[in-house]
Amino acid sequence: DAKTTQPTSMDCAEGRAANLPCNHSTISGNEYVYWYRQIHSQGPQYIIHGLKNNETNEMASLIITEDRKSSTLILPHATLRDTAVYYCIVRVADGANNLFFGTGTRLTVIP
Amino acid sequence: GAGVSQSPSNKVTEKGKDVELRCDPISGHTALYWYRQSLGQGLEFLIYFQGNSAPDKSGLPSDRFSAERTGGSVSTLTIQRTQQEDSAVYLCASSLVSQGSTGELFFGEGSRLTVL
Repeated sequence: DAKTTQPTSMDCAEGRAANLPCNHSTISGNEYVYWYRQIHSQGPQYIIHGLKNNETNEMASLIITEDRKSSTLILPHATLRDTAVYYCIVRVADGANNLFFGTGTRLTVIP
Repeated sequence: GAGVSQSPSNKVTEKGKDVELRCDPISGHTALYWYRQSLGQGLEFLIYFQGNSAPDKSGLPSDRFSAERTGGSVSTLTIQRTQQEDSAVYLCASSLVSQGSTGELFFGEGSRLTVL
C-alpha cells in the first residue's frame, strides 16, 4: 500500500469546517483513499473512502485532487466530539491485503 | 455478534508470564488484523489473516508473539514471557474480502495489557 503524509496536529473552532489534508503521491490506479478516526480510548472508526470522485456521507466529505496525489477530509461543522486522531490510508478496496496506519493528524476542536 | 468482540478488556500480568488475547470477528468476515497501540502512539501492525492463506506475520516484534486463527473465525494472540514494553492496547479488526466490498475495517474495543 502507498504511504501517506499528514500534519501531526490541527486545531479547529467549534462549528467551523475542519479541513484535514493528506498527501499520497505514490498512490496506484487501483488504490482507494480511506479515512478513519480514533477517539480517545476507542478503536478506530471508518469515516469515508473514495477512488477519484469526491464523496460525501453523513459524517464527512472527501475531496480528491484530479491527479489523485492528495486529498482533503472535510468535517463541515466540527463539534467537540470530533476531537480525535484522523488517519488517511490508501489501499486496494477488496480488502485482500494488509493495512498500515500512519501516525495520523490529531484534531482538536476548540470551544 | 453485532461487532468485533475482544477479551479480556483489561489484563494485568507480571513480567515473565504468558498472556492470551482473544478476538471474535464479525461473522462472515474472512480478513482479521491485529494491531498494537502504545500510549500516545499510532497503530502498529502485528499480523493479518485472510481466509486459508498463510498469515502475514511481518509485524510481529519478536518470537515471543504468535497468533492463530482457528476455523477461520476466532483468533488468539499469545505473548510469551511478557516484558514491560509489551504494555499496550491490542486491537483486533475484521473485514469482508470480496469483489465489490468496501474493504472497511471494523475494530473491536481492544484489550489493554499492563505488564508489571
